[in-house]
Amino acid sequence: DQQVKQNSPSLSVQEGRISILNCDYTNSMFDYFLWYKKYPAEGPTFLISISSIKDKNEDGRFTVFLNKSAKHLSLHIVPSQPGDSAVYFCAASKDGGNTPLVFGKGTRLSVIA
Amino acid sequence: NAGVTQTPKFRILKIGQSMTLQCTQDMNHNYMYWYRQDPGMGLKLIYYSVGAGITDKGEVPNGYNVSRSTTEDFPLRLELAAPSQTSVYFCASSYEGRAYGYTFGSGTRLTVV
Repeated sequence: DQQVKQNSPSLSVQEGRISILNCDYTNSMFDYFLWYKKYPAEGPTFLISISSIKDKNEDGRFTVFLNKSAKHLSLHIVPSQPGDSAVYFCAASKDGGNTPLVFGKGTRLSVIA
Repeated sequence: NAGVTQTPKFRILKIGQSMTLQCTQDMNHNYMYWYRQDPGMGLKLIYYSVGAGITDKGEVPNGYNVSRSTTEDFPLRLELAAPSQTSVYFCASSYEGRAYGYTFGSGTRLTVV
């Protein structure tokens, strides 16, 4: 029973274009959402987060959008760079981020120069 | 500033053997977590701890044990290793469970043959 779903295992984007990674969740108790980035042979690193009281959060080239009614969030990367090539994990938490994270399966992003 | 350190990085076990995966953090974080990542899958929570002397089960605790005698260390014990425990194991820590503050180690790749 997957509570956090990333239905696209991989995504290929040209350098300079927009990358859009999608994530859906089923548990309506989730109120804090995060994106983590993972390079091979490394642990995941935090990228950006959003609370359920917001519908958008921006940090430089990265923007996360949250649609609570659809239980859907997306990560936009503009412009995409070759160094963005990595696996991106969507994660969710309850109680304002104070319960252990539940992760999706990840989406492998390849940015082609 | 080491962050979260996991040892060993790689290990091959025979079926039925036991081992301990070590995890230590130097950030004085009170929350610590163990996740496993199987190929093509997201990270699944094995055990977590909210402080020294306190541990709790996650989604996939069977076949594992943990202890938390100090703030810094959170070892994961595998008893009677099975091929199903072949995975990459990640330890993480955070300050008071704040989801955006998860710091992950670089992982231990375990193969059970």
